[in-house]
Amino acid sequence: NAGVTQTPKFQVLKTGQSMTLQCAQDMNHEYMSWYRQDPGMGLRLIHYSVGAGITDQGEVPNGYNVSRSTTEDFPLRLLSAAPSQTSVYFCASSYGDLPTYEQYFGPGTRLTVT
Amino acid sequence: KNEVEQSPQNLTAQEGEFITINCSYSVGISALHWLQQHPGGGIVSLFMLSSGKKKHGRLIATINIQEKHSSLHITASHPRDSAVYICAVPNFGNEKLTFGTGTRLTIIP
Repeated sequence: NAGVTQTPKFQVLKTGQSMTLQCAQDMNHEYMSWYRQDPGMGLRLIHYSVGAGITDQGEVPNGYNVSRSTTEDFPLRLLSAAPSQTSVYFCASSYGDLPTYEQYFGPGTRLTVT
Repeated sequence: KNEVEQSPQNLTAQEGEFITINCSYSVGISALHWLQQHPGGGIVSLFMLSSGKKKHGRLIATINIQEKHSSLHITASHPRDSAVYICAVPNFGNEKLTFGTGTRLTIIP
């Protein structure tokens, strides 16, 4: 099993550009989520999904869109990149809803917006 | 919202020392997660516990539900234990986790 994969590993965007961060898991997990990690702050939830076709907002959803058309994939779209979105992004998955199940994290995507 | 505090923020110790990292939270929970973030950035789940104690190798996690406090202990610490250790607790009706800011541990040979 590859676990949770994320692409790209690194990305530099100019302000206003859009892009999609890819996340995929091969563990048949229902629950998937996107976090951002900024210096001095804990991981913060952007969006999450409890199954295919179902998504919901987390703590910091503004400027991001998600969709979940399959169990395996959960892409995160930046609509119009801003310097405030410079961060490290982690995708995670778990078998069921939190807090009962262990989370598996992807390797992260380091995004810089200039 | 469940507030999470970890202490210390940074910890440097000699190889072989016994390490304790603390996590306190403000609202009663059903389970707490301990995670490890390697220097390269990857995050792995270490423990998920709802009561008592769990042990995995040299790592021990304890939780006191009444006091809203958990500790992560490392026995016979080794330089490869150098990492950021993060605790997380459920929030907003158990659908989401709130993460602490982490404890950066450095073990010197």
